[in-house]
Order: sequence, then structure tokens, then C-alpha cells
Amino acid sequence: RKEVEQDPGPFNVPEGATVAFNCTYSNSASQSFFWYRQDCRKEPKLLMSVYSSGNEDGRFTAQLNRASQYISLLIRDSKLSDSATYLCVVNPSMGAGTALIFGKGTTLSVSS
Amino acid sequence: DVKVTQSSRYLVKRTGEKVFLECVQDMDHENMFWYRQDPGLGLRLIYFSYDVKMKEKGDIPEGYSVSREKKERFSLILESASTNQTSMYLCASSPQGALGNTIYFGEGSWLTVV
Repeated sequence: RKEVEQDPGPFNVPEGATVAFNCTYSNSASQSFFWYRQDCRKEPKLLMSVYSSGNEDGRFTAQLNRASQYISLLIRDSKLSDSATYLCVVNPSMGAGTALIFGKGTTLSVSS
Repeated sequence: DVKVTQSSRYLVKRTGEKVFLECVQDMDHENMFWYRQDPGLGLRLIYFSYDVKMKEKGDIPEGYSVSREKKERFSLILESASTNQTSMYLCASSPQGALGNTIYFGEGSWLTVV
């Protein structure tokens, strides 16, 4: 059973579109959740953390539903520069000696 | 700014060679990680370390070993490289107790085994 699952896409959208990505995780005891962005042939970088109350950063909104073990990322008014792979990331515990679990990523391509 | 440096960005090695991938971080982080990333498979954890001389196997440790003799340096070793180890290797570090929003990656090492 995969621990973090994402729709791989690709999502091909025009500039200005709104696009949503979803992610599910299998470990109900998971502690914290994040979205990372990875550009082609580059390293992943933190996009935003995800909280149960939902959080927004400009055009980006992230949401966590612990009951359904579901994480989402909404991008409004898509820009060409949003084209990238978006990784759903879960921290399974608070203890030392644990590592983040990465989803395989969802690819977004924004076209003019 | 946190800096995670992977000294070898692009390598081509022959089957059977011993390969060292070096990673150095300058933020005194306790945790260090080695991942590999392949198309369609995402990031897969090879090994990680949460203290000097400590190491833990990740999801795909076979064919790899690691060394952490100093806090700032975490080395990945391919004892006898094989073509199925052709991949991009990513090193990362984070402070102790990090929740996941303070993990930093190096730029990656692209290894081709021929």
C-alpha cells in the first residue's frame, strides 16, 4: 500500500486557470504535511505547509482533512512560472530517526 | 542561507566501479538524507542519519552504504556500481525535530553507469 499517493498528471492548463491537486496518505498518525515544488532537473523546495484550518499564500491555498487523510493544493490565476512538479510530503512522526515521505508528484504545465 | 553542497554534479562511471557521492551542509543540522529520483518513481529514500556515526536504512538501501564521520558530511557509497543505479541522487539535511518545513536539498548528482 502506497503511503502517499498523488495523481501524476500531467495537468495542462491555460494561463489564468484554477487548478487543484489532491493527495492521500495512509498513516493516520502522520504529524505534519507540506507541499514542495520541483522544477525540471532541480531540487525540491518547500512551497507551503498544510494545516487543518487551511492556509493561503497569495494564489496558493492548501488544505488538510485529517478524517479523510486527504491534502489538497489549489492554485488560482495560474502563471507560466507555475509550471513544475508539485510534491505532497508527509512527516509520519515527531521522533528522531524518521524521514519525510514524498509522493511521486503531480506535473503542472501552464501554457499561454 | 542554508547550503547543502553535492560536490559531484555529473558523473559517468563504469559497471563495477566504486563510487563516492559526497554531501556537505553548513547549518549544523543533525539529520542528513540520501534519496534517488527516477522518472515515474519519485523520490525514494536510500539512507538517512540523525547523528554522527548513526545511520538508518531507508526504502531502497540495497547496493548502497553510507558514512557519517563528521556532522556536516554524509557520503553515499556504491560499492560496485551497476547500470540500474543510473539516477539522480539528492542529498538533504534538516535540524533535529524538524517537522518537514526545514529540510533543504542539494542540487543533485546525476550519475550514469555504463
